[in-house]
Amino acid sequence: DAKTTQPNSMESNEEEPVHLPCNHSTISGTDYIHWYRQLPSQGPEYVIHGLTSNVNNRMASLAIAEDRKSSTLILHRATLRDAAVYYCILRGSGNTGKLIFGQGTTLQVKP
Amino acid sequence: DTAVSQTPKYLVTQMGNDKSIKCEQNLGHDTMYWYKQDSKKFLKIMFSYNNKELIINETVPNRFSPKSPDKAHLNLHINSLELGDSAVYFCASSRPSIGQVVGDGYTFGSGTRLTVV
Repeated sequence: DAKTTQPNSMESNEEEPVHLPCNHSTISGTDYIHWYRQLPSQGPEYVIHGLTSNVNNRMASLAIAEDRKSSTLILHRATLRDAAVYYCILRGSGNTGKLIFGQGTTLQVKP
Repeated sequence: DTAVSQTPKYLVTQMGNDKSIKCEQNLGHDTMYWYKQDSKKFLKIMFSYNNKELIINETVPNRFSPKSPDKAHLNLHINSLELGDSAVYFCASSRPSIGQVVGDGYTFGSGTRLTVV
């Protein structure tokens, strides 16, 4: 299973943009890049996913490098409710679609 | 309406007991999963069912037995509970990935915190 590498923790100020990086140098051509987050005492929550092109939705944006070996989750204006563990995960067709979680990035948002 | 619901939310039980956790989804998804999150917060997949058929079984002790009576339900039965089984168990569902689009997101339940004493 292709692996991802994320910083253990990051800090941000409220109402400022946050860029959460993820490296996935062994990504295969059919792997989708997924992002999930887990707020304290809750289950993981789907944030966004993409294959090659940048993606936007109401929660965040996903910027994917041209070689697809890295990606960045962008929260445009962080709020206190965005404090969570953010997971970058590769989901491919060869593993029957299972999500394999790493340690993620713990995002702290300061007021 | 809760999309993926698990019961109970909390479960405290003694070693050696047998317990079940129930999961139901109303999203019309064909695939369901059980994940375990231990005290170090690592989330590990345990099982996956696609339309009532077991498709993933990740090195889980035989004491754990999933059962899917229909594609909207995936229950987890645990025999002879041990202290190391204490964890938060999450159920999830998604559209199938076998032979189809694999990019869709999972929907997780809010978890069942199991404490074995």
